[in-house]
Amino acid sequence: DAGVIQSPRHEVTEMGQEVTLRCKPISGHNSLFWYRQTMMRGLELLIYFNNNVPIDDSGMPEDRFSAKMPNASFSTLKIQPSEPRDSAVYFCASGRVSYNEQFFGPGTRLTVL
Amino acid sequence: AQSVTQLDSQVPVFEEAPVELRCNYSSSVSVYLFWYVQYPNQGLQLLLKYLSGSTLVKGINGFEAEFNKSQTSFHLRKPSVHISDTAEYFCAVTANSGGSNYKLTFGKGTLLTVNP
Repeated sequence: DAGVIQSPRHEVTEMGQEVTLRCKPISGHNSLFWYRQTMMRGLELLIYFNNNVPIDDSGMPEDRFSAKMPNASFSTLKIQPSEPRDSAVYFCASGRVSYNEQFFGPGTRLTVL
Repeated sequence: AQSVTQLDSQVPVFEEAPVELRCNYSSSVSVYLFWYVQYPNQGLQLLLKYLSGSTLVKGINGFEAEFNKSQTSFHLRKPSVHISDTAEYFCAVTANSGGSNYKLTFGKGTLLTVNP
């Protein structure tokens, strides 16, 4: 099993640019979660999907952030336009509905200059 | 809503010493509890979880945790730590709402540093 795959692993961009983070969940999992980790705020849930449908996006900080899950094997988190305060490590996790475990990817370290 | 407090941000210990990482939670409903470990530059890995049944839960790498409902705690313990246990440890909680995957609320983390 390849685990949760995230790309890119590192992203450096300039303020105002669009950033797209990608996630491939574990095959057979039907829940997907996006988290953000910073020193100041710790781990925060941004949004999660069940069966490709967004269930709770209350953690998305503002309209500059959007997430999609067009199919069971792919999700994106987009920031447009990016700002320096978006600098963080973004994690994707997947699991099965009704199963009490989330499997985390290695994360994408985003730096916005 | 649920919340988690990890009482120590850093815990330094010597190799082969016992360790306890403390976690308290707050919730108006019954909960499931988890401990995750994060090694440098990696994602989180599940150490153990409490869903129901025995309040003493054993996990990977020799760790265990005890659920104490009256004290709303879920402390993590290991009788003898190794250098390789150096990592950040996160306590997490979710409401036992049944039937759907769970929105985890994480504590701020405890950095365990094992010194030789």
